[in-house]
Amino acid sequence: AQSVTQLGSHVSVSEGALVLLRCNYSSSVPPYLFWYVQYPNQGLQLLLKYTSAATLVKGINGFEAEFKKSETSFHLTKPSAHMSDAAEYFCAVRRGWAGANSKLTFGKGITLSVRP
Amino acid sequence: EPEVTQTPSHQVTQMGQEVILRCVPISNHLYFYWYRQILGQKVEFLVSFYNNEISEKSEIFDDQFSVERPDGSNFTLKIRSTKLEDSAMYFCASTGGPETQYFGPGTRLLVL
Repeated sequence: AQSVTQLGSHVSVSEGALVLLRCNYSSSVPPYLFWYVQYPNQGLQLLLKYTSAATLVKGINGFEAEFKKSETSFHLTKPSAHMSDAAEYFCAVRRGWAGANSKLTFGKGITLSVRP
Repeated sequence: EPEVTQTPSHQVTQMGQEVILRCVPISNHLYFYWYRQILGQKVEFLVSFYNNEISEKSEIFDDQFSVERPDGSNFTLKIRSTKLEDSAMYFCASTGGPETQYFGPGTRLLVL
């Protein structure tokens, strides 16, 4: 079984500050890991993914995440926050190498606010 | 860029009524999913569908729910007799390979 823990429900940063959103996972098999972003009244957009290649993955809008197996973590970072980054961020896990037919298990999400 | 579409964007219904939520997955994708997000809660898996049959379903997906791919493009979720607790945002997703699921914009269902 897979699970995701996203501690805290809300993170607030100043524009230009570092963004760090934490994600820890649990998986009985090698995982694939994802970060999705949800802007108000919109659907889920893929930010980035880890699928057993490079452990440091870069995504859209300047975000990146590092897969750390020893820490079972996949934290999302961005060096400099922009006002447009304000949204809800979801970490998700699925079984790796399970083929396409494998569900995503989501964390509860973190709301990112960016202060001017 | 191809995208998953969903209709309607919003649906209000009375408790006990049947609703059908519609999705058009990305055209060359073969695997389809429904998820839901109750307000303020996490996104939850409902069901996956491949080769015209359900591959996996969650405990939420009871006999009141059904899915169908009635033609080559649509993928539907039917709730036979809606309950208040079915109020949620319902997301359709599709994938053509083992990695990324692409999500639609969602249908917000409100059961009164």
